[in-house]
Amino acid sequence: GENVEQHPSTLSVQEGDSAVIKCTYSDSASNYFPWYKQELGKRPQLIIDIRSNVGEKKDQRIAVTLNKTAKHFSLHITETQPEDSAVYFCAASIGGTASKLTFGTGTRLQVTL
Amino acid sequence: DGGITQSPKYLFRKEGQNVTLSCEQNLNHDAMYWYRQDPGQGLRLIYYSQIVNDFQKGDIAEGYSVSREKKESFPLTVTSAQKNPTAFYLCASSGWRLGTGNTGELFFGEGSRLTVL
Repeated sequence: GENVEQHPSTLSVQEGDSAVIKCTYSDSASNYFPWYKQELGKRPQLIIDIRSNVGEKKDQRIAVTLNKTAKHFSLHITETQPEDSAVYFCAASIGGTASKLTFGTGTRLQVTL
Repeated sequence: DGGITQSPKYLFRKEGQNVTLSCEQNLNHDAMYWYRQDPGQGLRLIYYSQIVNDFQKGDIAEGYSVSREKKESFPLTVTSAQKNPTAFYLCASSGWRLGTGNTGELFFGEGSRLTVL
């Protein structure tokens, strides 16, 4: 089955700096890669996703890049703010639906003042 | 206000007892899921259902059971056979979204924290 590895497990950045979280996947058939954010005590929520037919997608301060050849994808957060502090999960699936999603182990991002 | 409701939020169980976690959604989604969240292990899929009266095992189904008698409801039973049931359980749903057509987004409930004493 699919295996998704996520690094780092914890990340601390100063407010205004950029943060990068990286994930690798094992199954070359995976074609859908979402990122979820889980604030402390709250439910995970989708923040951005990318499909295998594009290499990069941006939404304001967040962007995701995908390298199909190397089987890795990354989340980039620019101009970090305290409200970006949360646990971020990457995931991968075959078929572009949620039914076969495999999640990474999560990255705890702490944005310090 | 549409969404997913899980209950109870906190649950304590003695060893050897079965316990059922409730999950109800009013998003009219066809698919529903149960995930287990443990520190440092991400979200692991227990069971999922893509349609009423049908469900499939996920990666860690042993010791769990589900039913899907109604589109809105997908209860999870944690049986006494589950060796390490203390965890945070998340229910989710996904479906066709008008305007985007994206069936990949998961909508999560607020979770149920089960502690076995």
